[in-house]
Amino acid sequence: ELKVEQNPLFLSMQEGKNYTIYCNYSTTSDRLYWYRQDPGKSLESLFVLLSNGAVKQEGRLMASLDTKARLSTLHITAAVHDLSATYFCAVDQAGTALIFGKGTTLSVSS
Amino acid sequence: NAGVTQTPKFRILKIGQSMTLQCTQDMNHNYMYWYRQDPGMGLKLIYYSVGAGITDKGEVPNGYNVSRSTTEDFPLRLELAAPSQTSVYFCASSFSGKGEQYFGPGTRLTVT
Repeated sequence: ELKVEQNPLFLSMQEGKNYTIYCNYSTTSDRLYWYRQDPGKSLESLFVLLSNGAVKQEGRLMASLDTKARLSTLHITAAVHDLSATYFCAVDQAGTALIFGKGTTLSVSS
Repeated sequence: NAGVTQTPKFRILKIGQSMTLQCTQDMNHNYMYWYRQDPGMGLKLIYYSVGAGITDKGEVPNGYNVSRSTTEDFPLRLELAAPSQTSVYFCASSFSGKGEQYFGPGTRLTVT
């Protein structure tokens, strides 16, 4: 059974500093997704990581995937208030469904 | 394109009532999914469909039923609603099983 764990679950960030969120998963998979969810809203796709060593960047966010370690990281550079949200990683299970982590809630303060 | 649409946005049910959550996508996606999200938790898969006429159970199917008569529509039926079904329900679709999933706006359901 595929399990996905994120840590930390909550992260209080200071503006301008760098942080990393970790996503570990328990069985082999070569596809991992990162989503953002604002309070009371739906999920917005951020990154799709399709192979070992994949790295994608969008603005202050950079995601990477290490399939051998079964680990993905989401790195935040110089946090700003607009990044406050909950971030989910999700791992493809046998090409039929996604298994989600519990999410990491980020709060950015000045 | 409207993408994935869901109705209703909010609903309050009494214990034992039934209802259908509607989901429609206009992207000609083969795969469609129903998830539920409980407070402070990630999404859990209820049912999914790989095409019209084909559905399968996900992680938490008990208390729900689905059908897929067309490519566009994937309704979720709740029979005999229970308080444990209070949740936010998201419908999603993707072109293939390995593709990016696109989510609808969600339905917030309360069972009292």
